Amino acid sequence: EADIYQTPRYLVIGTGKKITLECSQTMGHDKMYWYQQDPGMELHLIHYSYGVNSTEKGDLSSESTVSRIRTEHFPLTLESARPSHTSQYLCASSDWTSGYNEQFFGPGTRLTVL
Amino acid sequence: SQKIEQNSEALNIQEGKTATLTCNYTNYSPAYLQWYRQDPGRGPVFLLLIRENEKEKRKERLKVTFDTTLKQSLFHITASQPADSATYLCASLSSNTGKLIFGQGTTLQVKP
Repeated sequence: EADIYQTPRYLVIGTGKKITLECSQTMGHDKMYWYQQDPGMELHLIHYSYGVNSTEKGDLSSESTVSRIRTEHFPLTLESARPSHTSQYLCASSDWTSGYNEQFFGPGTRLTVL
Repeated sequence: SQKIEQNSEALNIQEGKTATLTCNYTNYSPAYLQWYRQDPGRGPVFLLLIRENEKEKRKERLKVTFDTTLKQSLFHITASQPADSATYLCASLSSNTGKLIFGQGTTLQVKP
């Protein structure tokens, strides 16, 4: 059973606010990812990390930032939320020991910026 | 650019029938393809992986095929049940970025 947690599940916030979306996993995976998904659309990778103190931007440009100070924790921060940031944010982790990058996803945070 | 394409139209079938979903890839040759299930408001859940040298993979009522000539994977659910209703995503590793790229998913609706 995959143990990856995201909080909050739902967030409605006003423009200009700073927000942090939390993601934690208890599987000891080195690799973690943040995806953005709009309804009916594909997942777009916005950030990833291959281990502590390693973070990279993904394929989709995002104004958010991430940090990886501990293996199990990979929070995403938006300094100033805008309506264009309204979306579903999914966190995932993976274990490459099998070589095939099976990803385990959290339940997601649905963000609405008014 | 490397791309994964799935039929964006929803697939509606009757309970007990076999559902077949299609995943096409373009501009690269992935070493493997993955299939995930995603329920509304939830994160995707990994179902199956098939490697390029495997023609077919099975897991319970699920079957996946990989045709490197057609650049296509088919995902079958036999004896479908209403509980199988969900969106199914195809994914593979991009040789350019080393990251997973996902199709937009096909929504399956199984009617009782």
